[in-house]
Amino acid sequence: QVTLKESGPGILQPSQTLSLTCTFSGFSLSTYGMGVGWIRQPSGKGLEWLANIWWDDDKYYNPSLKNRLTISKDTSNNQAFLKITNVDTADTATYYCARIGTLYYPYWGQGVMVTVSS
Amino acid sequence: DIQMTQSPASLSASLGETVSIECLASEGISNSLAWYQQKPGKSPQLLIYGASSLQDGVPSRFSGSGSGTQYSLKISGMQPEDEGVYYCQQGYKYPLTFGSGTKLEIK
Repeated sequence: QVTLKESGPGILQPSQTLSLTCTFSGFSLSTYGMGVGWIRQPSGKGLEWLANIWWDDDKYYNPSLKNRLTISKDTSNNQAFLKITNVDTADTATYYCARIGTLYYPYWGQGVMVTVSS
Repeated sequence: DIQMTQSPASLSASLGETVSIECLASEGISNSLAWYQQKPGKSPQLLIYGASSLQDGVPSRFSGSGSGTQYSLKISGMQPEDEGVYYCQQGYKYPLTFGSGTKLEIK
């Protein structure tokens, strides 16, 4: 059974760095073909893809976030991470991690709400 | 980036009615298209991938079709549990992009 769960700071101030953790079970990110992605959703709005990381440490980012993103993994502890630097109020959203199936997402975490506010 | 244009933005349907939602890609995506359903306060759920393949556990009243730049999701016989917001997503190339969503309600 595949499960994923996101964790994060809840609230942070503008210009700070957002650090998110995805803890998963039911698969390994050291297995050929496996990957994890991050997607976010501002309240009442649509979905925005942020980044993917693959079993071979290949990484892909949304260029609209202009080098503010860093995705990484810890295969020993079944975790994936996302950092977003220099946050502002536009980064307020629910952040989801999801296991990749080809370039779709068959498994999602419950999401973690992040608020950027001074 | 590939732009995904979804229509309509919202619609209401009666129980048992057949519903269709459209998704238009700004360039050909070779059937690399997924559909998700999202209910309030919940994570999106994958319904269809590869434009027409039904994800395990999804009711057979959901179907997907299309090719090239035009794709559609059909619900054959609207049920109360089908209320929610539906999103398309292209998996053809990075950056991955989603449609803006279609809100489906019971009439």
